[in-house]
Amino acid sequence: AQKVTQAQTEISVVEKEDVTLDCVYETRDTTYYLFWYKQPPSGELVFLIRRNSFDEQNEISGRYSWNFQKSTSSFNFTITASQVVDSAVYFCALLINTGFQKLVFGTGTRLLVSP
Amino acid sequence: GAGVSQSPSNKVTEKGKDVELRCDPISGHTALYWYRQSLGQGLEFLIYFQGNSAPDKSGLPSDRFSAERTGGSVSTLTIQRTQQEDSAVYLCASSLQGRGGVGTEAFFGQGTRLTVV
Repeated sequence: AQKVTQAQTEISVVEKEDVTLDCVYETRDTTYYLFWYKQPPSGELVFLIRRNSFDEQNEISGRYSWNFQKSTSSFNFTITASQVVDSAVYFCALLINTGFQKLVFGTGTRLLVSP
Repeated sequence: GAGVSQSPSNKVTEKGKDVELRCDPISGHTALYWYRQSLGQGLEFLIYFQGNSAPDKSGLPSDRFSAERTGGSVSTLTIQRTQQEDSAVYLCASSLQGRGGVGTEAFFGQGTRLTVV
């Protein structure tokens, strides 16, 4: 069965602090994909990144970076020098690519960045 | 269109009435998902379409919920005899699902906020 766990329900930081959002996944499949989405107060889910199971290279995009470790089944997301505009709910998701596909989301982490 | 379009954006209905929610996916996207998000909660998977087929209906909460997709494009989620616990934001997403993982990311519409009174 697929499962995504985001243990952190809510995180509060002050602007310019670095913050890491944790994501742990479970799957028996060898081919799968991991995603992060941002849901700002406006409500629309915004795709941030995709990572496939064969590519463990970490990725950096501006202030965002992602650390994928198959050994610990984790796909953590770090925001460096956080800004107020980063305040949102962040969801981690897992997709298995074997036959029919089900995109499963974690319960989300609410990030509050105060000035 | 440029993105996933859902209509209506808001729907208020009386308990016991039927409602239809519509989703127009991104042109060419073969996969389509419906999710439900209650206030302050995560995303609850409802159903997944590959083309016009729904290989996974496991998330539909009850037999009052049904969905169809025609022409590999537009999808309609129907809720019959609505109940107050059906109140939520219903989100639709589509993806290209290309080879090698390309296009597996799903793009979401802005959702339909359903309120059952």
